[in-house]
Amino acid sequence: AQTVTQSQPEMSVQEAETVTLSCTYDTSESDYYLFWYKQPPSRQMILVIRQEAYKQQNATENRFSVNFQKAAKSFSLKISDSQLGDAAMYFCAYRSGSGSARQLTFGSGTQLTVLP
Amino acid sequence: EAGVAQSPRYKIIEKRQSVAFWCNPISGHATLYWYQQILGQGPKLLIQFQNNGVVDDSQLPKDRFSAERLKGVDSTLKIQPAKLEDSAVYLCASSLGGTTNEKLFFGSGTQLSVL
Repeated sequence: AQTVTQSQPEMSVQEAETVTLSCTYDTSESDYYLFWYKQPPSRQMILVIRQEAYKQQNATENRFSVNFQKAAKSFSLKISDSQLGDAAMYFCAYRSGSGSARQLTFGSGTQLTVLP
Repeated sequence: EAGVAQSPRYKIIEKRQSVAFWCNPISGHATLYWYQQILGQGPKLLIQFQNNGVVDDSQLPKDRFSAERLKGVDSTLKIQPAKLEDSAVYLCASSLGGTTNEKLFFGSGTQLSVL
């Protein structure tokens, strides 16, 4: 079974600075997808960014980018120019690329605080 | 476009009582998921539907939890009888159901407190 580990329960960053959230995963599959989700106090999970394992290029979405190290099974999220609205719980998630099951396996999350 | 709707938003019950949660996915989404999120943890899949059929319910405690998706649209998740450890947020999500890299859309969840 796949596992996702987020070793930083809490992180803080100064507004306008850059922060990196860590994630490692364990899988024997070669075809899979990785995601970062944001969960604000409203509880609704919002997709931040996704990465296909077969792509070597790291995904980027505006101020959000990932560092995908397939051999090391590492998938970190970098937030540049942090804003107060970025404060939330961030979850790393894994999804298999095969089979009919589409479920996401989530890590335990990192609570990000943005300091003004 | 309307998002995934869930109700109620909060529910407080006593142990051994029963409770039901309702989810209305985005129109046209064939796949529907129920996740359980215990405080301080990431969401854990309980059950996945493809239209009105169950794809995966391996982590659903079937002695007390049940779920159905009538006509492949709305879904209800029931707990009977509830235990203290069922206190959690129950999240519903939906997706088109076509590809493995497709986006999941989540509702705002139902926060259940079992006293």
